[in-house]
Amino acid sequence: GAVVSQHPSRVICKSGTSVKIECRSLDFQATTMFWYRQFPKKSLMLMATSNEGSKATYEQGVEKDKFLINHASLTLSTLTVTSAHPEDSSFYICSARGGRTDTEAFFGQGTRLTVV
Amino acid sequence: KQEVTQIPAALSVPEGENLVLNCSFTDSAIYNLQWFRQDPGKGLTSLLLIQSSQREQTSGRLNASLDKSSGRSTLYIAASQPGDSATYLCAGKASSGNTPLVFGKGTRLSVIA
Repeated sequence: GAVVSQHPSRVICKSGTSVKIECRSLDFQATTMFWYRQFPKKSLMLMATSNEGSKATYEQGVEKDKFLINHASLTLSTLTVTSAHPEDSSFYICSARGGRTDTEAFFGQGTRLTVV
Repeated sequence: KQEVTQIPAALSVPEGENLVLNCSFTDSAIYNLQWFRQDPGKGLTSLLLIQSSQREQTSGRLNASLDKSSGRSTLYIAASQPGDSATYLCAGKASSGNTPLVFGKGTRLSVIA
């Protein structure tokens, strides 16, 4: 299957700082990328959908000014957690899909964010 | 709005046993359904994808079925091994558009040697 690389896998940051998470599709062009958040022992909750070259669409309750998403190219999307708080600590996972909407969704390895 | 439920939340079986994981969804107009495996602290590995026009998919010891009319999918694991221990997630895609997957909470499987 296609490969989606997410970096970093783990990050610890101080409250008030910003953290950038990268999601790259290595062997296909990802016209759409999705960002999910997963709380311990919970399901994945969709945060936002981003299409290359356009603004991300955020789910209800997700602060777009806090979780900045950029999808500047067909192989890279970034999620920046701004002014991080301890409650932002979570597991963040990106997913990428190519041009056809009936294809599999491929997922990155996830990023464990801890805000201290 | 599509909702996905997985039962049981956790399952423990002895090695070698065949087992079935259940997934139910509320909207029978599901476009496709995907089963994933997630190891602790890791991302998702896609196991099987079933399109709405299909009834089942097989890969090795795994077989996934889809019954749209009843809103159910099952993941069958044959001859389970300790290495199968992980959380299994099912996720449905609601429509043919560029829609995201809606996930269940997963079933945490432990295969005991």
